[in-house]
Amino acid sequence: KAGVTQTPRYLIKTRGQQVTLSCSPISGHRSVSWYQQTPGQGLQFLFEYFSETQRNKGNFPGRFSGRQFSNSRSEMNVSTLELGDSALYLCASSADWRGNTIYFGEGSWLTVV
Amino acid sequence: GQSLEQPSEVTAVEGAIVQINCTYQTSGFYGLSWYQQHDGGAPTFLSYNGLDGLEETGRFSSFLSRSDSYGYLLLQELQMKDSASYFCAVRGDDKIIFGKGTRLHILP
Repeated sequence: KAGVTQTPRYLIKTRGQQVTLSCSPISGHRSVSWYQQTPGQGLQFLFEYFSETQRNKGNFPGRFSGRQFSNSRSEMNVSTLELGDSALYLCASSADWRGNTIYFGEGSWLTVV
Repeated sequence: GQSLEQPSEVTAVEGAIVQINCTYQTSGFYGLSWYQQHDGGAPTFLSYNGLDGLEETGRFSSFLSRSDSYGYLLLQELQMKDSASYFCAVRGDDKIIFGKGTRLHILP
C-alpha cells in the first residue's frame, strides 16, 4: 500500500509569490491534515479535512488555505509568501477524523527568498 | 489554552533506558500518541494510549495517566539508530496538537 505522497519535495519561491502544495493520502484514508514544521517549533497544525470538508483550522493567517477533493487528495496554498513561511510542510492522513494514528508524507521543503 | 510540554533534549548512553515525559492541557482528550522523526525524515508513528496504563511495542513502551494529564515514552536497550526527535501528540476536541519535540542524543 503506497504511503502519503507529497509534491513537490523541494521548491524555492520569491517573496510575494504564491505556492501550491499537493498531497495524496493513503488509499482509503479520508482525513488529511497539514502541518508546518520549523526548527524549534515542532509541528504547527494548519488545517484538517475530512470528506472534502475543513474540520479545523490552526492559528495561521488567511494567506494559508487548503482544500480536499472528492478522491481525498488535498492541496494547500500560501499566497503572498513571506520569508517566515520557509519551512517543511507536512501532510498526514488517517482513516477517519478521530484517528490517533496518522501517517505523514515526506514533506515539501519550501524556501522563500 | 491548549499545550503540550516535553523536554527539549535528553541524553542517554547506548544500551541504557530513557524516559521522555509529556504533560498536556487540552480541550477534550481522545488519546496520546508518540512519533519519531529522524533528521531530514518524516515523523513516523510509534505508540498510542487511549486508556490509562502501559502499552508495549518491542523496545518501546508508552504510559498514560489521564487524571494527571501525563504520559511518557520509555525506550529500552537504546541503539544509536534511536537518535532522533520524539514528539508527543494529543487528539483534543478539534485537532491533534503536537509537542515541540524532544531531541534524543545517544552516546556510545
